[in-house]
Amino acid sequence: GAVVSQHPSRVICKSGTSVKIECRSLDFQATTMFWYRQFPKQSLMLMATSNEGSKATYEQGVEKDKFLINHASLTLSTLTVTSAHPEDSSFYICSAREGGSRYEQYFGPGTRLTVT
Amino acid sequence: AQTVTQSQPEMSVQEAETVTLSCTYDTSENNYYLFWYKQPPSRQMILVIRQEAYKQQNATENRFSVNFQKAAKSFSLKISDSQLGDTAMYFCAFMKNTGNQFYFGTGTSLTVIP
Repeated sequence: GAVVSQHPSRVICKSGTSVKIECRSLDFQATTMFWYRQFPKQSLMLMATSNEGSKATYEQGVEKDKFLINHASLTLSTLTVTSAHPEDSSFYICSAREGGSRYEQYFGPGTRLTVT
Repeated sequence: AQTVTQSQPEMSVQEAETVTLSCTYDTSENNYYLFWYKQPPSRQMILVIRQEAYKQQNATENRFSVNFQKAAKSFSLKISDSQLGDTAMYFCAFMKNTGNQFYFGTGTSLTVIP
């Protein structure tokens, strides 16, 4: 089956620093990737949608200058949290959609970000 | 706008018994997809079952089945012969036929009791 990986699985950073999270589709080409944020015991909230080679589309209320998304290739999307603050601590999950797929999306295992 | 409602924040079931998780949704779309995802403690999202709205027949995957009532906009998940490994958070999700964004419900935490 299709596999999506995320790296790192856990990261701790100091307040004010930036951290990059990678999302890779391992065995298929992902024309579209999605980034979600999940707070403890809550649902997944879509942050942004990225298409390969295009600028990401951010959901209302998500700061695009704070959460930089780059989808430079058909197998890699990155989320950079800039000038991180403790309130950015969360679980970040990506999903990837293969080109031509009607509804199939595959989720990565998530990245736990802790900002101290 | 699409909304998905899961009215049961927590549920428990005895091992080997049957449990039903509720989900309702609101949409003006006629064609769409509905999903149930499982999120165990590992946090990996796992697709449990999928239903296409134009199909009247309820989807079934081994011990998992759905009761899809399109007119009532209801999409419940039945888990038969519950196993300890079924303990997880379960999310109901909606996707438009023309779009690729998931709309997730708030989740139901299911505990299977030995």
